[in-house]
Amino acid sequence: EAQVTQNPRYLITVTGKKLTVTCSQNMNHEYMSWYRQDPGLGLRQIYYSMNVEVTDKGDVPEGYKVSRKEKRNFPLILESPSPNQTSLYFCASSLGLAGGSRSYEQYFGPGTRLTVT
Amino acid sequence: SQELEQSPQSLIVQEGKNLTINCTSSKTLYGLYWYKQKYGEGLIFLMMLQKGGEEKSHEKITAKLDEKKQQSSLHITASQPSHAGIYLCGAGGSSNTGKLIFGQGTTLQVKP
Repeated sequence: EAQVTQNPRYLITVTGKKLTVTCSQNMNHEYMSWYRQDPGLGLRQIYYSMNVEVTDKGDVPEGYKVSRKEKRNFPLILESPSPNQTSLYFCASSLGLAGGSRSYEQYFGPGTRLTVT
Repeated sequence: SQELEQSPQSLIVQEGKNLTINCTSSKTLYGLYWYKQKYGEGLIFLMMLQKGGEEKSHEKITAKLDEKKQQSSLHITASQPSHAGIYLCGAGGSSNTGKLIFGQGTTLQVKP
């Protein structure tokens, strides 16, 4: 089954304790992205990756890191989490970049609900 | 920067009624996506529109991108409780930067 998986689904942690949220897709997609969703602010893009070893900032990259060492995996790293990073996080993947003359369906993972105390 | 505004922000309808959700962009839309989300869950892809005037349907949901490509509408015919959820529109930019933006979502409740 074609899917995007995220782990963990729920996480409660304390300020400053490094954490990683994993994301994996089995569709051989080139493009992967991380979003956070907050009430009243909608979905905002954190980082995206156009291919292995190629990553770029989205709209809200501060406090996050990503890596793309393999095509299928795109982990999100919070080196020193703070309470303002409490949010619902989504990973997504697609065949290519959206924009201009090309559009691609983005497949979303089930989400990771992170609480930082 | 481009912004997407959805209206209404929330909607309560009686089962069987028709409804429309709008997504208006501050700039020309390139690749407009509609997703549905159950509260706290992942996003389910509904439709993607790219050409001005394009219209697509899936079951009782129809989406259209206007000719000027700055607005899209999502229409649900004969709503059912299963249609309840949050509907989000998303769009790519004018160039292939990989950046996607989303509207704030429209919460739909369908009363039996």
